[in-house]
Amino acid sequence: ETGVTQTPRHLVMGMTNKKSLKCEQHLGHNAMYWYKQSAKKPLELMFVYSLEERVENNSVPSRFSPECPNSSHLFLHLHTLQPEDSALYLCASSQANGGAHEQFFGPGTRLTVL
Amino acid sequence: RKEVEQDPGPFNVPEGATVAFNCTYSNSASQSFFWYRQDCRKEPKLLMSVYSSGNEDGRFTAQLNRASQYISLLIRDSKLSDSATYLCVVTGNDYKLSFGAGTTVTVRA
Repeated sequence: ETGVTQTPRHLVMGMTNKKSLKCEQHLGHNAMYWYKQSAKKPLELMFVYSLEERVENNSVPSRFSPECPNSSHLFLHLHTLQPEDSALYLCASSQANGGAHEQFFGPGTRLTVL
Repeated sequence: RKEVEQDPGPFNVPEGATVAFNCTYSNSASQSFFWYRQDCRKEPKLLMSVYSSGNEDGRFTAQLNRASQYISLLIRDSKLSDSATYLCVVTGNDYKLSFGAGTTVTVRA
């Protein structure tokens, strides 16, 4: 079983649509992350969940809404997105018991907003 | 000033060559340093951690210079499969990783 999986891998949506991105980790980690990666830009941390509690929300617009029902699953609910939200959305997981730990990334969802 | 800055490249090198590049970071309190590798249209994967004393992993050597606040990566005997974007990652003593925009390396036959 692949460590971190994401679905869908590709998504095209209109600005009025509502969709959700799903992430699942099979590594026994207790922290999960959403990142946005736009072309030629550094990864931008969007949200962090540690032990199923949201511990970070990096001034992300409310049209992005995360959900973490348990330590293995993470969702990103999308609604009324803008074309500039088109990017690669990466999910990652790690251990959250203090200190910096390697983060394992999923393959990402490539999102296009028309 | 960006938290983590990298020369975007690209560094175009022939097979067998040595290529090296740096990354600078702005937060002097940073504690942990990593190099991640990202292949085209794929997710980032950890290449190696960077230790204070410097460390090697096969053909890859990483160095840390705290005084000047930079880390470096050197690749010896480049292979075609080394073609990728190398991401510099810096963190304090918590879960937050700060990524550079990446340095692109292209190894040609």
